[in-house]
Amino acid sequence: QLQLQESGPGLVKPSETLSLTCTVSGGSIRSSGYYWGWIRQPPGKGLEWIGSIDDRGTTYYNPSLKSRVTISADTSKNQFSLRLSSVTAADTAVYYCARHDITMIVMDIGGWFDPWGQGTLVTVSS
Amino acid sequence: QSALTQPASVSGSPGQSIIISCTGTSNDIGNFNLVSWYQQHPGKAPKLLIYEGSQRPSGVSNRFSGSKSGNTASLTISGLQAEDEADYYCCSYAGSSTWVFGGGTRLTVL
Repeated sequence: QLQLQESGPGLVKPSETLSLTCTVSGGSIRSSGYYWGWIRQPPGKGLEWIGSIDDRGTTYYNPSLKSRVTISADTSKNQFSLRLSSVTAADTAVYYCARHDITMIVMDIGGWFDPWGQGTLVTVSS
Repeated sequence: QSALTQPASVSGSPGQSIIISCTGTSNDIGNFNLVSWYQQHPGKAPKLLIYEGSQRPSGVSNRFSGSKSGNTASLTISGLQAEDEADYYCCSYAGSSTWVFGGGTRLTVL
């Protein structure tokens, strides 16, 4: 059974860089056809897709965060990571990692996130 | 890239059916049919309910169903149960290898 677990500091100072790691067990992040994604949820608010990385290491980012986000993968450790630079209080959120399935049917494209990690709260504060 | 529009809240009585709408534009839902839906209970991670617009993962009740018309996707929950009380989110491909979620809908079972 595939499981994902986020880890990293729960408190980050403004203007610094948020760094989180997602450890995958029960499957390989090198599995062909799968992407691996990061999603966040500010307290009391909705979900926001941050970005994803595919099995070849190609990254895809939310345009609103693209200038500050880096997603990378370490296949030897079966982990993928998120770095978000120049954080502010607006980046305070629960951060989730998830496997990101993509499907293409004729000219249509879909995708879904499953399973998800339990999430980790990151607070940006001095 | 703007969040998909969902009603902030919906409610229903046990046994009833409710529909949660998710409205986008021709850049996302209007052009791509394969919307996914998620259920989130307080303090928990989201759970996949529907993928590829209308497919249910193994273990998800057939009381949950998905559909789409034009720029609006819909999640129908039939035979409402107390445990369905949760937040629900839609998600769509938005072109250029990007993805967008809806703002979320709080379902209250009366």
